[in-house]
Amino acid sequence: DAGVTQSPTHLIKTRGQQVTLRCSPKSGHDTVSWYQQALGQGPQFIFQYYEEEERQRGNFPDRFSGHQFPNYSSELNVNALLLGDSALYLCASSLPADHEQFFGPGTRLTVL
Amino acid sequence: AQSVTQLGSHVSVSEGALVLLRCNYSSSVPPYLFWYVQYPNQGLQLLLKYTSAATLVKGINGFEAEFKKSETSFHLTKPSAHMSDAAEYFCAVILRGNNRLAFGKGNQVVVIP
Repeated sequence: DAGVTQSPTHLIKTRGQQVTLRCSPKSGHDTVSWYQQALGQGPQFIFQYYEEEERQRGNFPDRFSGHQFPNYSSELNVNALLLGDSALYLCASSLPADHEQFFGPGTRLTVL
Repeated sequence: AQSVTQLGSHVSVSEGALVLLRCNYSSSVPPYLFWYVQYPNQGLQLLLKYTSAATLVKGINGFEAEFKKSETSFHLTKPSAHMSDAAEYFCAVILRGNNRLAFGKGNQVVVIP
């Protein structure tokens, strides 16, 4: 049973560029959440997708957007990258009625 | 508003000694509570969770946590630390009527041989 997978594992971008991160949920899960973890900090909730719609959103600017596909996989897009966007981006999947979230290994984004 | 407080970013413990990591939450209604562990360059792994069943929750790797409503706490313990317990530990909550995890700042645990 495959767990949550994320790609790529590492990414280096420069300021002003755009980036797309990808996530495949655990088999049977239809809800995907994205978190940003800055160095030395706890993860911060970005948004959550269910039935291809954004269901909840944290305190992140509109530069952060997402998408969920019919197969429940998801993308996180960040436009106009800033140095402060450098972080580990974690994807988590769950069932809508279950509060347990399963995390992927993350994508390490470095903005130069 | 900070929902979860973890004190002491770095915690050193001798091998074989008690591991105690403190977590307090701020919510008038008891939330769902979680402890996650993160090993270097990896994602988060669930250690244990409280979802309003038994107040003493047992998790993986010998860890357990006790929910105390009167103290708004959910402290994590392990009787005897092992070298493999060296990692970062996060307490997290999901508030009722919500489905997003709110994390504490984490505790970096160092195990001294």
